[in-house]
Amino acid sequence: NAGVMQNPRHLVRRRGQEARLRCSPMKGHSHVYWYRQLPEEGLKFMVYLQKENIIDESGMPKERFSAEFPKEGPSILRIQQVVRGDSAAYFCASSPGFLANYGYTFGSGTRLTVV
Amino acid sequence: SQKIEQNSEALNIQEGKTATLTCNYTNYSPAYLQWYRQDPGRGPVFLLLIRENEKEKRKERLKVTFDTTLKQSLFHITASQPADSATYLCALDRYSGAGSYQLTFGKGTKLSVIP
Repeated sequence: NAGVMQNPRHLVRRRGQEARLRCSPMKGHSHVYWYRQLPEEGLKFMVYLQKENIIDESGMPKERFSAEFPKEGPSILRIQQVVRGDSAAYFCASSPGFLANYGYTFGSGTRLTVV
Repeated sequence: SQKIEQNSEALNIQEGKTATLTCNYTNYSPAYLQWYRQDPGRGPVFLLLIRENEKEKRKERLKVTFDTTLKQSLFHITASQPADSATYLCALDRYSGAGSYQLTFGKGTKLSVIP
């Protein structure tokens, strides 16, 4: 079992470009979560998805950020018109079911640098 | 406002001793609490989950306590080894207000075990 796969590991974008971060959950996991970690800050929840559904996007900035988890393929976190403040590590996690019974399995993250 | 505080940003301990990390929370009534380990450049790794009706949980050299009256969890690593050096994160469930529960993380305690 390959675990949660995130790619790319490192991504450099110029201000104003788009960033697309991909996450393939563990086999058998239908719940996907995205977190952002800024330097010297804790992990901040962004969005929770199940296949073809956004369950909770209360942690997503209102503009420029979007997420999807299609029926086929990985979950995508998309950041349009990136700014320097978007530079961070973005982690994806998955779980097989309801949160109370399982820990999350995290990927190794995508480190986004905006120049 | 809801807060999770891990009292020490950094903790140095001699090899073989017991490391004790603290997680305090305010304005929460979590149903359970989780501990994760994070190494530099990597995603968090799930260690233990403890529910509100459980006082203590053990796994090998790890022990977690959960005191809902004090609003505190203690995380112990006995017979610590240099390989235990990492950042340890505590996380609590939180109702997001959007119909789901999410894990909210503390900023972590960086543990260094000195040979």
